[in-house]
Amino acid sequence: GEDVEQSLFLSVREGDSSVINCTYTDSSSTYLYWYKQEPGAGLQLLTYIFSNMDMKQDQRLTVLLNKKDKHLSLRIADTQTGDSAIYFCAEGLDRDDKIIFGKGTRLHILP
Amino acid sequence: DTGVSQDPRHKITKRGQNVTFRCDPISEHNRLYWYRQTLGQGPEFLTYFQNEAQLEKSRLLSDRFSAERPKGSFSTLEIQRTEQGDSAMYLCASSRGLAEFYEQYFGPGTRLTVT
Repeated sequence: GEDVEQSLFLSVREGDSSVINCTYTDSSSTYLYWYKQEPGAGLQLLTYIFSNMDMKQDQRLTVLLNKKDKHLSLRIADTQTGDSAIYFCAEGLDRDDKIIFGKGTRLHILP
Repeated sequence: DTGVSQDPRHKITKRGQNVTFRCDPISEHNRLYWYRQTLGQGPEFLTYFQNEAQLEKSRLLSDRFSAERPKGSFSTLEIQRTEQGDSAMYLCASSRGLAEFYEQYFGPGTRLTVT
């Protein structure tokens, strides 16, 4: 079946690293995504990783994929107040085009 | 590249009324998707189009819902005889076909409130 799970809340001090974790169930997932949603705004595609990759880095963002454990993480280095948002983990399958989203992790930045 | 746009941004309607939403995808994106997001949840897939062809519909899309993309550009999502359970954010996304279909870019959404 298709299911994506992630913790609902994370609090991090400004300047520290944030690590948001996610697990998915469909072993045939081909693409794993991180989307960001700020209050009142749509979803912003932050980054994605193909299932044949272990890691992807893009400026302050690092995505790690453990395909064996079906575990995906997003690390945000030097977390800033502008990073405060809901982060959605999602999986996409080759066999169809829909993206399956988790419920989102609300990242709260402490001063 | 102006991004995906949706209209209206907010819609309040009485139960039983029909509503129609519009989505304009990024130009030259031939795939268009509709998702629904309720409070505290992630978006859920409703349907998608490749050009004007509707290729997949979720079981969430009851027969009160209909989506069209007549000329392969903008799309409309109509809900007939709205119910309070239809209250949600309706999100549209688009992507290039073929090699880059997996990069789905979302619009700001239409928030529907059914009273």
